[in-house]
Amino acid sequence: EVQLVESGGGPVQPDKSLRLSCAGSGFSFDEYALHWVRQAPGRGLEWVAGISWNSGNIAYAGSVKGRFIISRDNAKNSLYLQMNSLRRDDSALYYCVRDVDLQPTAPMGHFDYWGQGTHVTVSS
Amino acid sequence: QSVLTQPPSVSAAPGQSVTISCSGNTSNIGSNYVSWYRQFPGAAPKLLIYENKQRSSGTPDRFSASKSGTSATLAITGLQTGDEGDYYCVTSDRTGSPARLIGGGTKLTVL
Repeated sequence: EVQLVESGGGPVQPDKSLRLSCAGSGFSFDEYALHWVRQAPGRGLEWVAGISWNSGNIAYAGSVKGRFIISRDNAKNSLYLQMNSLRRDDSALYYCVRDVDLQPTAPMGHFDYWGQGTHVTVSS
Repeated sequence: QSVLTQPPSVSAAPGQSVTISCSGNTSNIGSNYVSWYRQFPGAAPKLLIYENKQRSSGTPDRFSASKSGTSATLAITGLQTGDEGDYYCVTSDRTGSPARLIGGGTKLTVL
């Protein structure tokens, strides 16, 4: 059974940093691109960042570019999101999402499995 | 404000049909495949449709989708109260940045 389990969320002050993790199991971790998608309370989904199977292709949403860093460790079946210079509008439920393709930008790619998410609250 | 435009809400009675639109441009929907997801309150989204019109495993054939030009449409027939939820369209951008675009979401209410 494919499982994606996020961790690392919590309360954090503005301008501080937080690192999210996502542990994958039940599939060949290094054969899929992965993404982070977030959802602010009462709002819609927002794609945050994506990374290819071998970390060779990385993309960010404009709202987080230069502040967030997505990475993965295939040996540990883990995906990460280093979030720096956090702002109040970064407060959201962050989902770890698997793509069917090797590349996060593939035209035929789509999200086939989602984790349950980890909450990030940015507040002073 | 998402680049992909969906109606904020749609509603219909049980047994009736409804469509949810997703409008983009030549750089996103016009150049890429579209997928559709449903999210129930308090739960993670789930894939319904991929590659414009292919139903995911477990998606009833009451759900269908299509794409034409720079727009995509999800259609649901024989509405059931269990179909209520938020529906999102997703596609890519031809430039690869952003990698994925997500519509603003549509709340379906079955009256």
